[in-house]
Amino acid sequence: GAVVSQHPSWVICKSGTSVKIECRSLDFQATTMFWYRQFPKQSLMLMATSNEGSKATYEQGVEKDKFLINHASLTLSTLTVTSAHPEDSSFYICSARDQRTIQETQYFGPGTRLLVL
Amino acid sequence: AQTVTQSQPEMSVQEAETVTLSCTYDTSESDYYLFWYKQPPSRQMILVIRQEAYKQQNATENRFSVNFQKAAKSFSLKISDSQLGDAAMYFCAYRSARTGNQFYFGTGTSLTVIP
Repeated sequence: GAVVSQHPSWVICKSGTSVKIECRSLDFQATTMFWYRQFPKQSLMLMATSNEGSKATYEQGVEKDKFLINHASLTLSTLTVTSAHPEDSSFYICSARDQRTIQETQYFGPGTRLLVL
Repeated sequence: AQTVTQSQPEMSVQEAETVTLSCTYDTSESDYYLFWYKQPPSRQMILVIRQEAYKQQNATENRFSVNFQKAAKSFSLKISDSQLGDAAMYFCAYRSARTGNQFYFGTGTSLTVIP
């Protein structure tokens, strides 16, 4: 099946620094990717929808200046957590939509664990 | 927005037995997809089973089957012959059939398999 990768798989950073997380669709083109956030023992919450060549659509309550999303190519979307703080520590998961299938199957990346000290 | 409810935060089952996980959802749409995802400790989301709302026949994947009741907006997952590897967090999810739409996830059910 299709594969979606994320890099890095985990990152530890100091408070105030910025962290970039990459989401790649490895064997298909994805005009749309989604970024989710998951706190321990909780469900996945959609943060934003990333569209290739246009601005991302953010969910209510998600700061667009805090979580910068860039979908510069059909296989890559990046999420940058700017001026990270300890409360940004979480598990971030992306998914990519495969338009080759009628059902537009979506595939999840393996996730990125972010710890802000 | 659509809502997905999983009323069982934790469930346990004896190895080789059968367990059913519950899920209900709320939507005004007629065309959509429903999913069950498994999230083991690695936290990689693994698709267990998918159901198209326009199909009356319940989906089945080996030991996993669903009971889809469209009118009741219910979508339960039955795991037969439970195995130790089935232990994980299970999320029920809804996705509109309209193009480009995201998943709406339930709060999850933590399944423990007792040897």
